[in-house]
Amino acid sequence: DGGITQSPKYLFRKEGQNVTLSCEQNLNHDAMYWYRQDPGQGLRLIYYSQIVNDFQKGDIAEGYSVSREKKESFPLTVTSAQKNPTAFYLCASNPSWSSQGNTEAFFGQGTRLTVV
Amino acid sequence: GDSVTQMEGPVTLSEEAFLTINCTYTATGYPSLFWYVQYPGEGLQLLLKATKADDKGSNKGFEATYRKETTSFHLEKGSVQVSDSAVYFCALRRGTNAGKSTFGDGTTLTVKP
Repeated sequence: DGGITQSPKYLFRKEGQNVTLSCEQNLNHDAMYWYRQDPGQGLRLIYYSQIVNDFQKGDIAEGYSVSREKKESFPLTVTSAQKNPTAFYLCASNPSWSSQGNTEAFFGQGTRLTVV
Repeated sequence: GDSVTQMEGPVTLSEEAFLTINCTYTATGYPSLFWYVQYPGEGLQLLLKATKADDKGSNKGFEATYRKETTSFHLEKGSVQVSDSAVYFCALRRGTNAGKSTFGDGTTLTVKP
């Protein structure tokens, strides 16, 4: 079945450590996105990528980094510079960004990151 | 820029009650409109969508009509069930703007037996 897989589901990090969240899709989608969700709040865009080897900052990119070396993969690194990283992180994808605004976003199951 | 405003929650209803969650939007051009549902600890799933004015999206008893004149996309269900308890997000997307979706803040629905 096609879909988006995020791993791990739960992740614990010590303060001062970098950690990488995985996101893989087999939907052949061009565009991929990372969102952060805090309790009782909506989704905030961290980074997005429209094509391989290209990505753009979203609204809250500070303290995060990404790469897009393959179409299927869009890993997110939460660096030690992120002051409040404890949150639920969601990865999503769309078909071609430019022409298919009528298609929905497909989401992974999320990764809950906790700083201990 | 684009924005989506949802009715504030949380919303608590008894089983079989009528549900309305209001959603209004601001966007240039002609966006497509979506409702997503999120169950505890999971990602978002598409509930329904409408891609042009006056379209009605429907799924699992939920409905929403794309009203361009009032820039609204209110979610309704005639008789809610306990299993409908979740967080509901209204969203819009345009083919331009890098295809990014703009989400409302979400409305938490709790249905009691």
